[in-house]
Amino acid sequence: GAVVSQHPSRVICKSGTSVKIECRSLDFQATTMFWYRQFPKKSLMLMATSNEGSKATYEQGVEKDKFLINHASLTLSTLTVTSAHPEDSSFYICSARGGGSTSQETQYFGPGTRLLVL
Amino acid sequence: AQSVTQLGSHVSVSEGALVLLRCNYSSSVPPYLFWYVQYPNQGLQLLLKYTSAATLVKGINGFEAEFKKSETSFHLTKPSAHMSDAAEYFCAVSRRDYQLIWGAGTKLIIKP
Repeated sequence: GAVVSQHPSRVICKSGTSVKIECRSLDFQATTMFWYRQFPKKSLMLMATSNEGSKATYEQGVEKDKFLINHASLTLSTLTVTSAHPEDSSFYICSARGGGSTSQETQYFGPGTRLLVL
Repeated sequence: AQSVTQLGSHVSVSEGALVLLRCNYSSSVPPYLFWYVQYPNQGLQLLLKYTSAATLVKGINGFEAEFKKSETSFHLTKPSAHMSDAAEYFCAVSRRDYQLIWGAGTKLIIKP
């Protein structure tokens, strides 16, 4: 139980284009989803927290107009990197916490999306 | 403010030897504590968690951790290392709003 998927797993795009990453909780309803960015050999950096049906809360220093987050349902959140540039290349990971049979305090992580902007 | 400190960015042990990964936290309230493992180019997998029940917590893959309030520690151990344990390990403490405060991570290297 408590499986989170991400799609795509890898994406390569040209500079200036937009990329959408999906995060789904497959077997539970996610009260909250989190989006992280991870740089090589570094810990996770929280980008934003999203709750279903409300606007995401962005961490300080994260551009909300560049990283658009939509949490349209209790099982789906999307991160859109708009007008991507090479410095946006990174490993993006989502996590979800929720109710049902899962523990409210536990975040369950997706497998991550590797973004490379050329 | 809550914080997590993982001692040692790299820990190297021989296959079959004891694994000990250290984690100390600071928290003004009884915490939820977690250990996650990350294999290369993958997301994070929950190893185990402490949620104010038993102080000795058993997790997956033979790992366990002991919550010691007096030492503000939550060290991760495994009696006998296996080559498949080579990965990055992260300790984290949960805030009231369930956001996680992360340690810097410890890379576990297993020598044959």
